[in-house]
Amino acid sequence: DIQITQSPSSLSASVGDRVTITCRASQNINNYLYWYQQKPGKAPKLLIYAASSLQSGVPSRFSGSGSGTDFTLTISSLQPEDFATYYCQQSYNTPYTFGQGTKLDIK
Amino acid sequence: QLQLQASGPGLVKPSETLSLTCTVSGGSTSSSSYYWGWIRQPPGMGLEWIGNIYYSGGTYYNPSLKSRVTISVDTSKNQFSLKLSSVTAADTAVYYCAILYYDTRAFDYWGQGALVTVSS
Repeated sequence: DIQITQSPSSLSASVGDRVTITCRASQNINNYLYWYQQKPGKAPKLLIYAASSLQSGVPSRFSGSGSGTDFTLTISSLQPEDFATYYCQQSYNTPYTFGQGTKLDIK
Repeated sequence: QLQLQASGPGLVKPSETLSLTCTVSGGSTSSSSYYWGWIRQPPGMGLEWIGNIYYSGGTYYNPSLKSRVTISVDTSKNQFSLKLSSVTAADTAVYYCAILYYDTRAFDYWGQGALVTVSS
């Protein structure tokens, strides 16, 4: 199985801050890396697909980068609605696997 | 706009079989553009992929669950289903049905989730 190591597991930040979350895959996954946002009691929502493509309707303050084994999600200027848990996920090989999640809360 | 609605019993006894159905609207389970998938999330924990099915019936399961999982699709009802046998308390989770786009391999749309508790 491909292991995905996501960091940090939690992060405190303020509105307007720039935030970066990283995921590292245990082997090359090309660009089959996806980022989701999950709010309490809700299903995950796709933010970024294929490592760097912004899903339709997602604000442009979200961006993704990386290829191979190392990937980054950046939120350029945090808004109040961005405080949530973020997950990365690989679809290069089955079993598809998720990172452990990053809980982003208000400082 | 594709929408998914998961339904099924919220309480299952240990050793029995968990059964959930996902009803699709705004799209067709006969489409070659999607895989239909299940993902679960134990309370307070992360996400675990259970498996996918293609419209043709081809299935892909997580090896950690493969011996207990069956995913099927009923194109006449525009539904797909999950069965998980011999459940234990460790199978207590919110179960999400989701659509995986064939081209991007992203889980683009998710159902609202169904909480299933395994308890006697």
